[in-house]
Amino acid sequence: GAVVSQHPSWVICKSGTSVKIECRSLDFQATTMFWYRQFPKQSLMLMATSNEGSKATYEQGVEKDKFLINHASLTLSTLTVTSAHPEDSSFYICSATSGRLSYNEQFFGPGTRLTVL
Amino acid sequence: QQQVKQSPQSLIVQKGGISIINCAYENTAFDYFPWYQQFPGKGPALLIAIRPDVSEKKEGRFTISFNKSAKQFSLHIMDSQPGDSATYFCAASTEGYQKVTFGTGTKLQVIP
Repeated sequence: GAVVSQHPSWVICKSGTSVKIECRSLDFQATTMFWYRQFPKQSLMLMATSNEGSKATYEQGVEKDKFLINHASLTLSTLTVTSAHPEDSSFYICSATSGRLSYNEQFFGPGTRLTVL
Repeated sequence: QQQVKQSPQSLIVQKGGISIINCAYENTAFDYFPWYQQFPGKGPALLIAIRPDVSEKKEGRFTISFNKSAKQFSLHIMDSQPGDSATYFCAASTEGYQKVTFGTGTKLQVIP
């Protein structure tokens, strides 16, 4: 149980285009979802926290207008990278948690590799 | 105060040996300490976790040792196997706060 999926697993896009990444909790209702960014050989950096039906809370330094997060249902959150540039190339990982799960345990998706040309 | 320091950055262990990764924290409000295992190109997966009311937790070959007074905790991998080669992250969070603070990661390589 507690499986989180992401789609797509990798995406290549041209500079200036927008890319949408989906994060789904497959077998539980995720009251909260998190979006992380991970550069090669580095740790996960939290970008934002989203609760179903409300606006996402962004970490300091993360551009809200560039990284649009929508958490429309208890099983789906999307991250849209708008007007992507090469410096946005990274590994994006989502995680989900539920008040029913033990002790704030987060379940992570497999990640999405974004390459902006 | 939110930082979690992790060492070493990389570790090479022979098959059958013990791998030890250490973490330290400052925020005494942290009360949940998970360890995650990440393979290249994959998301992190929860390996084992501990709460500060116990000093040790063991699950199979993986053991967390926790020293509340020193604000340190460590992961021990007994009988390390090549399949354990991955990056390991320690983390910490507070009850009800949900945000997890990650350590910097340790790349473990187990050689035959």
